[in-house]
Amino acid sequence: DVKVTQSSRYLVKRTGEKVFLECVQDMDHENMFWYRQDPGLGLRLIYFSYDVKMKEKGDIPEGYSVSREKKERFSLILESASTNQTSMYLCASSILAGGGTGELFFGEGSRLTVL
Amino acid sequence: QKEVEQDPGPLSVPEGAIVSLNCTYSNSAFQYFMWYRQYSRKGPELLMYTYSSGNKEDGRFTAQVDKSSKYISLFIRDSQPSDSATYLCAMIGSGNTGKLIFGQGTTLQVKP
Repeated sequence: DVKVTQSSRYLVKRTGEKVFLECVQDMDHENMFWYRQDPGLGLRLIYFSYDVKMKEKGDIPEGYSVSREKKERFSLILESASTNQTSMYLCASSILAGGGTGELFFGEGSRLTVL
Repeated sequence: QKEVEQDPGPLSVPEGAIVSLNCTYSNSAFQYFMWYRQYSRKGPELLMYTYSSGNKEDGRFTAQVDKSSKYISLFIRDSQPSDSATYLCAMIGSGNTGKLIFGQGTTLQVKP
């Protein structure tokens, strides 16, 4: 089974802190994604990556950055956390499309609260 | 206008009811259509996918795609309390980069 592991399920941080959310997948997938999920707004794509050291902005990249130094690991960084970044963060991976369905495999999520 | 529209609900039904969940979309290039199920405090997981138009059945679940109307549906027969979850539709075009477009999700509660 594909496994996507997010390092922290629950985090509480203070405004202005730097926050790292880590994600690891074990199926050699090329694509990795970071979403945030908020009530009434659904899933919104923050950043995605097609390959090591490659990244592309999603729909709401402001206030976030990402790092992909190894194929299996994709990190989301909040340089200076703000209260409006309190949310559920979901990491996902998929096989590169082109014959594939684009099926995403999600982690369990990281619930971040910024005080 | 969003590319994919989905009524967020919530939808509450009695156990044993037939449930119909729906999404509309605007991009005619979409070829793969998926339904994800998300239990509370968990990540979404793929429930069903369909390529192009037609129906697909898996146990109590049936996915239906009508590309002419740009409308997809998920039917749940004999609904159970364990079906209580948020259901998200998602879709993607062929020759794509792997970026799915999601609906907002519909929250379903099945009451015993």
